[in-house]
This record gives sequence, C-alpha cells and structure tokens, in this order.
Amino acid sequence: ETGVTQSPTHLIKTRGQQVTLRCSSQSGHNTVSWYQQALGQGPQFIFQYYREEENGRGNFPPRFSGLQFPNYSSELNVNALELDDSALYLCASSLMGRGNTEAFFGQGTRLTVV
Amino acid sequence: QQQVKQSPQSLIVQKGGISIINCAYENTAFDYFPWYQQFPGKGPALLIAIRPDVSEKKEGRFTISFNKSAKQFSLHIMDSQPGDSATYFCAASGGSYIPTFGRGTSLIVHP
Repeated sequence: ETGVTQSPTHLIKTRGQQVTLRCSSQSGHNTVSWYQQALGQGPQFIFQYYREEENGRGNFPPRFSGLQFPNYSSELNVNALELDDSALYLCASSLMGRGNTEAFFGQGTRLTVV
Repeated sequence: QQQVKQSPQSLIVQKGGISIINCAYENTAFDYFPWYQQFPGKGPALLIAIRPDVSEKKEGRFTISFNKSAKQFSLHIMDSQPGDSATYFCAASGGSYIPTFGRGTSLIVHP
C-alpha cells in the first residue's frame, strides 16, 4: 500500500450535479496530482498542487477545480457533471523540492454519472 | 496529441515466456521514464524507472531498455508469471514531474 488514500471509493451522480473527491497524501509528501482514467485508457493529467498552489494544469475545463490544504491533503471538485466525466479519478502524491521523486497513487474513486 | 505511444494494446504470453511492451515519445525534454503496473480496482503502482543517462536498467525479472536517439523505450518481463497479468503503462516526464502516460497494455499470462 502506498499510504495515499482516496474517498469515496465509488460514487454515482446525476448529470448537472457537483462532486467533491478527497485525497490524503502520503506522509512527508508536499505535492498532489489528480488524474482522470477513462475505461481502457491511460491516466490523463488534470492538475497538480504544490504547497497549496496550482502548479500545472492539463487540458481540462474550468469546471474541474481543486484545493490543497496545509496538511497537503487535497480535493478535486467537478461542477456541472457530464456523462463523459464517468471515470476513475486518481490522486498521486510526491515530494518536490530536493529532486523529484516518483508519484504514489491512491486506489482511485470510481465516478459514474447517469 | 499523444506524446507517449505505447504498443501493443494487449499481449498474451505463456507462463515462463518473455513479455515485451514498447513505448515511443516525442518531447525531447522528457528525462524520466517510469513504468507502472495496474491491477483491476487499484491505482497504478511504480514498477521500474529509468533516466536517459543509461541504456538499460534491470530489477529482478523486469528490464527497461532505453534508446535515446530513437526516442524509444521498452519493458521486458522475463519468465512471465500468471501473477504478472495486469495493465502496464509507460510514462514520461521532465522538470516538475508530471508524467504523461501511454494508453496501456493489457498483459495476460496463461499458466
């Protein structure tokens, strides 16, 4: 186990609703990245947070937003849910600052939009 | 634009055989090339990684071969076992470590 925990593990939402996904990073890590993994695809980078600031963003619309808290945990918020938002959402934590290290992934949150 | 191309999409090998998965990248700024293993219902787990200053890295039954001039790298799994059956992703990153993933290879190892 990586020490990165995500909640909830599964979630069903209706189109148009809003959702918040949570991630607890591994102890000692200061960076959290979020990915969307559609069925049969590789993870797609959404955004990264480093020391509570957004540190990079992939090709996702503004209705995908995030937060990082002082304890380095993080939230991913998605507004106005669309059917295509159905996917596995992965959070990865890493330590930046003294040479990049690998990212450790949580088990993911399976979001289904109906 | 797919910056990391991975093949094959699926692979079936017999127990004891060699599994080979290939990846090619476009961005010459990439300087870190990890491979991830993902089991159903789990997040990806780092398997092995390489930097461009070496052409090969071996860890147990897993070997990465890296060709900087061709911008290609591959994963070899020697003596493949049924427990290796999973989806494998190559990735590439540079700078702030935000990996770009390939589309994945579903590996099935028959007993």
